[in-house]
Amino acid sequence: QSVLTQPPSASGTPGQRVTISCSGSNSNIGSNSVNWYQQLSGTAPKLLMFSNNQRPSGVPDRFSGSKSRTSASLAISGLQSDDEADYYCAAWDDSLNGPVFGGGTKLTVL
Amino acid sequence: QVQLVQSGAEVKKPGASVTVSCKASGYPFSSYGISWVRQAPGQGLEWMGWISGYDGKIKYAQKFQARVILTTDTSTSTAYMELRGLRSDDTAVYYCARGSSRGWFLFDFWGQGTLVNVSS
Repeated sequence: QSVLTQPPSASGTPGQRVTISCSGSNSNIGSNSVNWYQQLSGTAPKLLMFSNNQRPSGVPDRFSGSKSRTSASLAISGLQSDDEADYYCAAWDDSLNGPVFGGGTKLTVL
Repeated sequence: QVQLVQSGAEVKKPGASVTVSCKASGYPFSSYGISWVRQAPGQGLEWMGWISGYDGKIKYAQKFQARVILTTDTSTSTAYMELRGLRSDDTAVYYCARGSSRGWFLFDFWGQGTLVNVSS
């Protein structure tokens, strides 16, 4: 049971815009920023977004993030086949005194 | 370029211990910390603990505090994670990840992962 809640799956067709949600509580998302990781099949996770909406160097601007109160979202526009991956949200949790993750969302490009 | 190279897959029996290594290169080891994150088959990510590359300061997730030992060898830029009292539900891929300069709990580079299979 993950501390942050994500839908287990999402899908879209090439060129579409998809959104992945992440729900938490006051002790994590409500008081701290959210980060997102992308995990392609059989590989290690990769940092995709930090501080709610900041992209590391090399991440295309098709990826965007937002946060409101105790929820966050990752949006992917102009969906491409190589966006097919698992996406995880993460945040610091003040009660647990450590970082926590969502259960992951498997994105399928139809 | 920054690289974290982990040791190979392990098969262990219940009750045993396992040590996974993570050799860092491409950056000053003492300037960043290393976290350990595990992923059970088909499951999500779970943070286990963090160790500073500078002074060896450690933070453990409460769940693992009694069974995990994190260490570093600054002479070889290597971090180690020892997990004791293995159970079948410890079967997972174990990752080391570097903590970013923006916050040690933000993981900007990851090792390739080490599969630990606990089976009798």
